[in-house]
Amino acid sequence: GESVGLHLPTLSVQEGDNSIINCAYSNSASDYFIWYKQESGKGPQFIIDIRSNMDKRQGQRVTVLLNKTVKHLSLQIAATQPGDSAVYFCAENIGAAGNKLTFGGGTRVLVKP
Amino acid sequence: AAGVIQSPRHLIKEKRETATLKCYPIPRHDTVYWYQQGPGQDPQFLISFYEKMQSDKGSIPDRFSAQQFSDYHSELNMSSLELGDSALYFCASSINTGLAGAGDTQYFGPGTRLTVL
Repeated sequence: GESVGLHLPTLSVQEGDNSIINCAYSNSASDYFIWYKQESGKGPQFIIDIRSNMDKRQGQRVTVLLNKTVKHLSLQIAATQPGDSAVYFCAENIGAAGNKLTFGGGTRVLVKP
Repeated sequence: AAGVIQSPRHLIKEKRETATLKCYPIPRHDTVYWYQQGPGQDPQFLISFYEKMQSDKGSIPDRFSAQQFSDYHSELNMSSLELGDSALYFCASSINTGLAGAGDTQYFGPGTRLTVL
């Protein structure tokens, strides 16, 4: 079935380095993508989103890239900090009010001091 | 800023009992979503409501039902609980932007951890 998935289950990164988390999606009809950060025992926290009419969007220390040709998106975190340690999920949506998010397998980011 | 509120935060039930989870969306948000997250798994969509009407349905068991009330809060009712229902249950809310073909950002609550013994 249609799904969203991640290539790397665990990413270890040195504090201060940049992190890149990748995600592949298979539903070509998806037109809205979100990255969430989830800390242990907490709810997913919105990081950044991107719509299919864009290929790049920047936030504070984060950048999301969308490549519709190969159905791939990535999350780049600049100058990774200890507080960035968490599980990161990508999620896709076919835009319409009330529509569900389909989550990909999470990637755990471990920041080493 | 106000966030999604869920209650209770923790709930312990016996098999075959019933449970009711509550969700209070962010003020002015008109859409609520319910997700279930098992240990080490992705959140799985259960059901959503827009303006008190069911808007989408996912892998929600027939033993579960939900509704959205006039004040936009939502309740997830779970009956005949099974051990496999033990999970984190998240509610998310969004506001319908009215943009054609555009998804609306969903903001998640802290979740209710349900343990079925």
